[in-house]
This record gives sequence, structure tokens and C-alpha cells, in this order.
Amino acid sequence: SQQGEEDPQALSIQEGENATMNCSYKTSINNLQWYRQNSGRGLVHLILIRSNEREKHSGRLRVTLDTSKKSSSLLITASRAADTASYFCATPGDSGYSTLTFGKGTMLLVSP
Amino acid sequence: SQTIHQWPATLVQPVGSPLSLECTVEGTSNPNLYWYRQAAGRGLQLLFYSVGIGQISSEVPQNLSASRPQDRQFILSSKKLLLSDSGFYLCAWSVSAVYEQYFGPGTRLTVT
Repeated sequence: SQQGEEDPQALSIQEGENATMNCSYKTSINNLQWYRQNSGRGLVHLILIRSNEREKHSGRLRVTLDTSKKSSSLLITASRAADTASYFCATPGDSGYSTLTFGKGTMLLVSP
Repeated sequence: SQTIHQWPATLVQPVGSPLSLECTVEGTSNPNLYWYRQAAGRGLQLLFYSVGIGQISSEVPQNLSASRPQDRQFILSSKKLLLSDSGFYLCAWSVSAVYEQYFGPGTRLTVT
């Protein structure tokens, strides 16, 4: 299956620092997404990057995609305590119908 | 605007008891609907998805079933719960041919 694997599993930083999370996947994809999950809550869609894009920005988020290395990275600049959450990458599932396969996530802790 | 509801928010059930979790979506028509389970500290496992009323696809064999009696209603059921059914259950929707998914708040199920 095209499961994304995030790295690191956990990341602890101070407010104001940048946070970088990586995702690797196994087979060719036409897009990759990043989601955020606050503790005990549902997931929130952050950004989608298509296979013909190398970089995409949304506010303090910057996502890159390297299809030759089958990897993506999520950079959060100037982190805030409110950014504390788990972050997941998602790739298209094998079943089609817009199904997704999620990685196990990176747990980010931003301390004040 | 679209909203997604799940209930109950938390549930504690004994082994062998039945289960019914409900998910409803407002503000959109003919959505794709999904049920996921998330074990503690792990990623999301897709359980079922539906592209229309009465159309259910199962991703993994298990003790659970799903039904879609109305366009915007998705129900997850079990006749007899197992301890291994404990977890955080998330419902999500998407628009056909669009990959972004939108998640409900989740149901925390503890089987004792």
C-alpha cells in the first residue's frame, strides 16, 4: 500500500523555532496531503500538494514534495504553543474513490 | 457551510454488547463518507467507505459493519463488541473526485 511514514515520531521545540517533519512513501502518487490533529479531536486538512508541484505555501506552512525521492516535508515557521498537535501525511489509497492512507504521524510539542 | 457531526462523543461498553455510532453531514449532497479507527498513538485505519446510499465498501475484515440509510448519514455498528474494538472512531466526508477529507470530532469507545 502507499502508506506514508512520518519522521520523527516526536518533536519538541520552543516557541519561535521552526519545526520540520518528513514523510516518505512507497509508490508513485498524484498528490500528497498534510493533516493536523489536536489531542482527542478530529483531523484538520492543512495542505495538498500535487505531483507536478515542488513547493507550496500556506501562511506559516511550507510543504515540499520530491517525487524522485518519494518524500515530502512540512515546515512550520515561527512555531506557537497552539501548533502543538500530531501531524499526518496522507497519500491516495489503493481503493480509489478519494480514499486516503495515513502515516502514524509526528507528535509536535511547542513549549512557551 | 458544511458541518459533520458524530455521536456519542464517548462511550463505555461491555464486551459482547452491541454498538451503534452515528455520523451526519450537513451542507453538501452525495458526499463520499468514511469510517476510520485510530488506536492510541497510531495512525488512522480506514474501516469503511461509501460513495452513495446503500453502497458500502469494507477495507478490512472485522467485527464491525457500516450502513448508509440516507445520503448524509453513515452508521457504524457491531452486534457483539470485542476488547480489540476499543479506539477512537472518526467519520469523514469528501466531495467525489476531490481528495481533501473533512473529519468529525470523533467518538472515544472503550470496551471493558
